Amino acid sequence: EIVMTQSPATLSVSPGERATLSCRASQSVSSNLAWYQQKPGQAPRLLIYYTSTRATGIPARFSGSGSGTEFILTISSLQSEDFAFYYCQQYNNWPLTFGGGTKVEIK
Amino acid sequence: QVQMVESGGGVVQPGGSLRLSCAASGLTFSNYGMHWVRQAPGKGLEWVAGTLHDGGNKYYVDSVKGRFTISRDNARNTLYLQMNSLRAEDTAVYYCAKDLETRGLHYFDYWGQGALVTVSS
Repeated sequence: EIVMTQSPATLSVSPGERATLSCRASQSVSSNLAWYQQKPGQAPRLLIYYTSTRATGIPARFSGSGSGTEFILTISSLQSEDFAFYYCQQYNNWPLTFGGGTKVEIK
Repeated sequence: QVQMVESGGGVVQPGGSLRLSCAASGLTFSNYGMHWVRQAPGKGLEWVAGTLHDGGNKYYVDSVKGRFTISRDNARNTLYLQMNSLRAEDTAVYYCAKDLETRGLHYFDYWGQGALVTVSS
């Protein structure tokens, strides 16, 4: 099983600032990495797939980068609606696995 | 407008069984792989099981192998999860989720609202 490790667990950021979230895979997942946003009481929402492709309707302030084992989600200028949990997911191998999540909170 | 609605959640005793359903609409259901993802209270996401578009291949996380069975009825646009020998650690909100692509890469663009399963005596 590929273990996905996200850091930090919690990120405190002021509105308008940049947020950088990290996701590390225990072995290469090529570019088969997705990011999701989840707000309390809601289902997750797909943000990014293939490491860097934004899903339909996702604002350009969200961007993804990386390959192999190291991946980054960047939110260029945090808006109030961006404070949430973020999860990475690899789909290179079965079983599919998620990272433990990063909570982005208001500083 | 794609919609997926789960049903069948509830409270069950340890060792008991439950069957979840996920009714999908607004899509050609038989074109897409479908999955169950769960989230224990206050915890992160865990992929549980998946089935390819035709139901021929099925995959499971190790912790549910031999206890859970995923299936689908493409004529009824419905996904199922039969859960047997339930344990306290299976307590979670269970989401059904749809592959974005039809060509077998498994990340999820639509999710249901979730069904709560509580395993407790």
